[in-house]
Amino acid sequence: DQQVKQNSPSLSVQEGRISILNCDYTNSMFDYFLWYKKYPAEGPTFLISISSIKDKNEDGRFTVFLNKSAKHLSLHIVPSQPGDSAVYFCAASDSLQGAQKLVFGQGTRLTINP
Amino acid sequence: ETGVTQSPTHLIKTRGQQVTLRCSSQSGHNTVSWYQQALGQGPQFIFQYYREEENGRGNFPPRFSGLQFPNYSSELNVNALELDDSALYLCASHSGGTSINEQFFGPGTRLTVL
Repeated sequence: DQQVKQNSPSLSVQEGRISILNCDYTNSMFDYFLWYKKYPAEGPTFLISISSIKDKNEDGRFTVFLNKSAKHLSLHIVPSQPGDSAVYFCAASDSLQGAQKLVFGQGTRLTINP
Repeated sequence: ETGVTQSPTHLIKTRGQQVTLRCSSQSGHNTVSWYQQALGQGPQFIFQYYREEENGRGNFPPRFSGLQFPNYSSELNVNALELDDSALYLCASHSGGTSINEQFFGPGTRLTVL
């Protein structure tokens, strides 16, 4: 039962262009969504998040959009830089659950080409 | 302020054996969560410890158990290892009550079961 899905295993983008990573979820109880970035041999690092009461959150080059009716969120990176090459995980949380547990998607490997 | 550390980095075990993985939480954090990341998948929540008590568990069998110590470091124990237990094991620490996006992940322990 995959509650959070990232249907694109990989994405290749030219440096300077926009990268768009997508994520779908099925559990309507999720009220907080996060994006993590992971380099090889390192743990995931937090990138940006959005509460379910918002539809957009922006932080520098990173913007996350949430479409609750479609149960879909996306991460936009503009402009894309070579250092953005990593695996990106979408994650969701239901704050009413006692533990602050994250439910992750399978990840999308982003490659930025010079 | 030290980050989250995990030991060992890599481990090879045979089926049926037992393993203990260790995690030192970030300074000031009293909550540790453990995740299993199988190859090509996103991290899956195993369980969480808050002030030395288990505070939520994912869909993992009882042979996965844990401990949290008074200094908030934690151990993950897996008994009767199976081939499917081969994965990257991640721990994440944060302070109970803080925002979920303030979870900090360690680099992980790569477990291989032969």
